[in-house]
Amino acid sequence: GEDVEQSLFLSVREGDSSVINCTYTDSSSTYLYWYKQEPGAGLQLLTYIFSNMDMKQDQRLTVLLNKKDKHLSLRIADTQTGDSAIYFCAESINGGGFKTIFGAGTRLFVKA
Amino acid sequence: DVKVTQSSRYLVKRTGEKVFLECVQDMDHENMFWYRQDPGLGLRLIYFSYDVKMKEKGDIPEGYSVSREKKERFSLILESASTNQTSMYLCASSLRAETDTQYFGPGTRLTVL
Repeated sequence: GEDVEQSLFLSVREGDSSVINCTYTDSSSTYLYWYKQEPGAGLQLLTYIFSNMDMKQDQRLTVLLNKKDKHLSLRIADTQTGDSAIYFCAESINGGGFKTIFGAGTRLFVKA
Repeated sequence: DVKVTQSSRYLVKRTGEKVFLECVQDMDHENMFWYRQDPGLGLRLIYFSYDVKMKEKGDIPEGYSVSREKKERFSLILESASTNQTSMYLCASSLRAETDTQYFGPGTRLTVL
């Protein structure tokens, strides 16, 4: 079945890089997404990558996609305390309709 | 900028009450979604709608219904609220199926006593 898995918690020191990993099961995914959720708020789209791309960079964010291993990662360079949030990985499956599957979220804690 | 708004940020209701959660988007999006978010379970899809008056069940539709009378508005209805429906409810919209990028509202935290 369709599933998106990610670790529940990550702790880093301010200024270090953070890498949040995600694995998915459906090989027919078309888009893969990273969302950020700050305390008490809804989900904010951070970035997305087409399934035919390997990498996408946007300022401090780097997304790497290994389609063969069905592995997606989000790297945040120079992590700041304001980056503390829950990060959701999601895949969009296009198979005669559409469906987006979300992971359970990784809580990133940045230590000052 | 896409704007998705939800009628309430916090809501407290009693068991058995009928509850309406409203969601409005201002970007003429075709698709709208209702999710609930619970600790350790991530986001689970309750219902979605791909057009006015059209609706499809998601993964956990039991105990919920929806209404989409106008394109910009998607309502989630709890006919008889129960304590296990205490949760954070998130509404989202997306333009077309082929892009699928979903934009979320701020969420409604519902507590059923």
